[in-house]
Amino acid sequence: AQRVTQPEKLLSVFKGAPVELKCNYSYSGSPELFWYVQYSRQRLQLLLRHISRESIKGFTADLNKGETSFHLKKPFAQEEDSAMYYCALRSYNTDKLIFGTGTRLQVFP
Amino acid sequence: DVKVTQSSRYLVKRTGEKVFLECVQDMDHENMFWYRQDPGLGLRLIYFSYDVKMKEKGDIPEGYSVSREKKERFSLILESASTNQTSMYLCASSFRWAAYKSTDTQYFGPGTRLTVL
Repeated sequence: AQRVTQPEKLLSVFKGAPVELKCNYSYSGSPELFWYVQYSRQRLQLLLRHISRESIKGFTADLNKGETSFHLKKPFAQEEDSAMYYCALRSYNTDKLIFGTGTRLQVFP
Repeated sequence: DVKVTQSSRYLVKRTGEKVFLECVQDMDHENMFWYRQDPGLGLRLIYFSYDVKMKEKGDIPEGYSVSREKKERFSLILESASTNQTSMYLCASSFRWAAYKSTDTQYFGPGTRLTVL
């Protein structure tokens, strides 16, 4: 079965500390992985996708097929990074996304 | 700029009422989605539509129905609202076969927070 697991409901760090939000997936094939972010009182929006291999707002994520992971990382957290983060998977030949349960990131000053 | 709008930001209804949640997008997207967002459960797909008058059940369709009479509009219907349908409802849209196009994402509306008393 296709599944996305985000083991942490809440991650709290101080400003300037490194951040790693974990995401593991279950899928027998070549998945497409995404990170979405929802800032307070804003709509859910795409942060980054693995296929683009991009860095957005200092965040990066590498798809590790051996470990079936797509962890989101940032070397130095900022207070404005505080938000809800969702990892999502799209299987081949479909437009539907499967979301994880989300991780709330709190960055303290 | 993609715009996905939802008819209400907050809605309070009573048990047994019929509830309509409306979603409109202005980007000529073929796909439209309804999710519910609950703490600790993430986003769960209720229904999906890939064309006018076409619909497909998501993971939690029970107690819900949908209507897509026009390409830009996708309605979620709670035939008889119950307290366990109290939630945040998110609408989203995307191009069909988005993976093969440069605009590779779902665009979300601001959400409707529904409370059923």
